[in-house]
Amino acid sequence: DIQMTQSPSTLSASVGDRVTITCRASQSISSWLAWYQQKPGKAPKLVIYKASSVESGVPSRFSGSGSGTEFTLTISSLQPEDSATYYCQQYNSFSRTFGQGTKVEIK
Amino acid sequence: EVQLVESGGGLVQPGGSLRLSCAASGFTFSSYEVSWVRQAPGKGLEWVSFISSSGSTIYYADSVKGRFTISRDNAKNSLYLQMNSLRAEDTAVYYCARVDSSGFAYWGQGTLVTVSS
Repeated sequence: DIQMTQSPSTLSASVGDRVTITCRASQSISSWLAWYQQKPGKAPKLVIYKASSVESGVPSRFSGSGSGTEFTLTISSLQPEDSATYYCQQYNSFSRTFGQGTKVEIK
Repeated sequence: EVQLVESGGGLVQPGGSLRLSCAASGFTFSSYEVSWVRQAPGKGLEWVSFISSSGSTIYYADSVKGRFTISRDNAKNSLYLQMNSLRAEDTAVYYCARVDSSGFAYWGQGTLVTVSS
């Protein structure tokens, strides 16, 4: 199975900061990577798909990049409503494995 | 509007069984693959199972293989997860999700399964 590793596990940043989360795959997944945002008590919400495509309705401050085994999610100017846990997910193989999550907190 | 609504969760003893359902609406259910994903309390997301649009292709996570069975009834726009030999570590919120080319664009609200004596 493909393993997904995210870093950091937690990050704390101020409103307006640029924030970057990294996700590494144990083998190449081309660009078959999605990012999800999850707030407490809610279902995950798709933010980025195919590594760099922004889902409809998602603010333009969210962007994704990478291919192969290394990927990043960037929030260009952190807003209070971005406080959440973010998960990467590979969909290169049938076992759609998730990373362990990165909790983004507002200072 | 695409909707996925899970039901069937509850409290069950270790070794027991439970059947989850996911009712789909707002799209042509028979044209889409679907999956179950779970989340243990305070933990991350874990993919559980996948079923193709026709039901002919099925996959499971190793953690549930041999104990869980995914199925669907396209005539009833419904997805199911039969869970047998339940363990404490199966305690989680179970989500159904529609599989799109972009990943899991639509999720249900989840149903809580608690395995405890």
